[in-house]
Amino acid sequence: NAGVTQTPKFRVLKTGQSMTLLCAQDMNHEYMYWYRQDPGMGLRLIHYSVGEGTTAKGEVPDGYNVSRLKKQNFLLGLESAAPSQTSVYFCASSPEDRSNYGYTFGSGTRLTVV
Amino acid sequence: AQRVTQPEKLLSVFKGAPVELKCNYSYSGSPELFWYVQYSRQRLQLLLRHISRESIKGFTADLNKGETSFHLKKPFAQEEDSAMYYCALNTGFQKLVFGTGTRLLVSP
Repeated sequence: NAGVTQTPKFRVLKTGQSMTLLCAQDMNHEYMYWYRQDPGMGLRLIHYSVGEGTTAKGEVPDGYNVSRLKKQNFLLGLESAAPSQTSVYFCASSPEDRSNYGYTFGSGTRLTVV
Repeated sequence: AQRVTQPEKLLSVFKGAPVELKCNYSYSGSPELFWYVQYSRQRLQLLLRHISRESIKGFTADLNKGETSFHLKKPFAQEEDSAMYYCALNTGFQKLVFGTGTRLLVSP
């Protein structure tokens, strides 16, 4: 039982390049999220999904796109990377059942844009 | 505005001393709060939820709506408690607003 798996773990991009971060969960969770973590700022929500085929914007969505074609996968795309997107990205999932609320996190992706 | 404030970046205590990590929130609805922890070289993980009223690893947290606080407490700190602690507020559909975190350092 892997939980939440993020790939890749590390990546260096040049300004203007594109990439996709993959998040996969095997717990049949309905809700999935992408956060970024920057020094001194905690975690900030980029986009989230409350079910297969649905996505919504979070607090800091600009410059990112997401897709959730399959329930178990949540993809985060950067179309044209900028140095301001240098960050650690975390994916998380949660069951819909309120009594079991709580995130399971991935291990993170450290992205550097030069 | 929906906001979580953790005023201390670093809290340093000796083993066996009591610990209190502060968390204050701002939210217009009925709050639902969590504590998450990240140990060195490990993933962020859920520590406790206020709705469960549980005690995990000796930690407890009580929601005080009057003071809009959800402080994390432990009567006797252990070295293995050293970690980064985040307070978080559910703003709907489990969208969490996180505080900036407090690093707890427990010295022998």
